[in-house]
Amino acid sequence: DTGVSQNPRHKITKRGQNVTFRCDPISEHNRLYWYRQTLGQGPEFLTYFQNEAQLEKSRLLSDRFSAERPKGSFSTLEIQRTEQGDSAMYLCASSLAVGSYEQYFGPGTRLTVT
Amino acid sequence: DAKTTQPTSMDCAEGRAANLPCNHSTISGNEYVYWYRQIHSQGPQYIIHGLKNNETNEMASLIITEDRKSSTLILPHATLRDTAVYYCIVRVANTGNQFYFGTGTSLTVIP
Repeated sequence: DTGVSQNPRHKITKRGQNVTFRCDPISEHNRLYWYRQTLGQGPEFLTYFQNEAQLEKSRLLSDRFSAERPKGSFSTLEIQRTEQGDSAMYLCASSLAVGSYEQYFGPGTRLTVT
Repeated sequence: DAKTTQPTSMDCAEGRAANLPCNHSTISGNEYVYWYRQIHSQGPQYIIHGLKNNETNEMASLIITEDRKSSTLILPHATLRDTAVYYCIVRVANTGNQFYFGTGTSLTVIP
C-alpha cells in the first residue's frame, strides 16, 4: 500500500496521560500535515512540515502538543497531559511541494480521553 | 483564502447524477477550487480541482461558472458508496499549506 498510513488507528487513554501518534506519508511527498477533526466538523489544521522543517503551526496547537519529523519522512504528534477536549480524530496528510499541492490523507487516529 | 458556502445535506437516487453546488463569491483570481469527500470514519479523499475551466476525471466532473463565483461537482452515476460528506475548498494552489474544510455537504445516495 503506497498511501498515507497512521498508527495506531484507535487510542483510548486516561486524562493526564501522554499519547503519541505516528504518520507515514507517501514516500515521495515532502510536505506533511496534521489536522484534528471533532464530531460533525470538518478537519482543522494543526501544523505542517516541509521535509524536516515545521513551517506553520495553528493556534489550536497548544503547548501540550508537539509534532516532529526528524528525518523528513515519518512524523509523530505527541499530546502531553491529555484532556477530555483532546478527544478527536487526528488526521495526517501529505503532498508534493510542487504542482497543485493536493493533499492525500491517511485513515486517522481516533483518540478517546476518559 | 476565500470562504465557501455549501448546502448542509442532499439526497440523490442511486444511478442518477449527483450535483453538489458550492458558492465562493469572494474567490480571487489565483485561487483554485478543490473538492474532497469523507466517507464515515475515513480520512478525506481528494476528488478533483480546477481554476477556470471545467475539469473531469474518473471520479467526477467540476463545472466552474464563468465568473468563478460558484461551482458544481457532478458525480455522473451515484452509487451507495458515494454516500459521504463533500467539501468544497478554495485555496491559492502554490501556497501549499492548509486546507480550510468547513462543514461540507452530507450526500446520501438512496437505493
